[in-house]
Amino acid sequence: EAGVVQSPRYKIIEKKQPVAFWCNPISGHNTLYWYRQNLGQGPELLIRYENEEAVDDSQLPKDRFSAERLKGVDSTLKIQPAELGDSAVYLCASSRNRGYGYTFGSGTRLTVV
Amino acid sequence: GQQVMQIPQYQHVQEGEDFTTYCNSSTTLSNIQWYKQRPGGHPVFLIQLVKSGEVKKQKRLTFQFGEAKKNSSLHITATQTTDVGTYFCAGIGGNKLVFGAGTILRVKS
Repeated sequence: EAGVVQSPRYKIIEKKQPVAFWCNPISGHNTLYWYRQNLGQGPELLIRYENEEAVDDSQLPKDRFSAERLKGVDSTLKIQPAELGDSAVYLCASSRNRGYGYTFGSGTRLTVV
Repeated sequence: GQQVMQIPQYQHVQEGEDFTTYCNSSTTLSNIQWYKQRPGGHPVFLIQLVKSGEVKKQKRLTFQFGEAKKNSSLHITATQTTDVGTYFCAGIGGNKLVFGAGTILRVKS
């Protein structure tokens, strides 16, 4: 089966600019997650979707971050405007449901300059 | 909130030596998962432990879940250069999967 697909792989933007990341999860995986991973740290959850419903977005900085998962499949994560501290790897993961291991995508490495 | 701590932060071993990383949670976990992340890569799911005192093996890797379901360990027997990477534990307590900071393993050949 195809894995979790993310794009772009790398993104360099100037601060205050907007940026968007896209994720296509594994077919049939109802649960989708967006994580942020800073260098030398473990992934931190930003948002979790069950189908098209965002069921946990308590860690999402809602003043500048937004996410959507249309039709319960693909998802996009947006930052507007980006700040220097947003530089990190943004990982998308999916699972059949919360009781299963996660399959991560390759991530998008964001650099804000 | 829930915290998951891992030790050591970093370990450098000679090829053929054993390696162990430990994971401790501030709260009781419903289950724990382990992931491996190669340098420059993304986390890859290794295993999930659910039962108190559970022990699972994958070839040279042995995973344990503590009796109180608040700690776990990963032991690698006779490390190889292919074992290089960061090993993360991630615990589910309540509704969240929280990752530890990981243990970086380097293997000298």
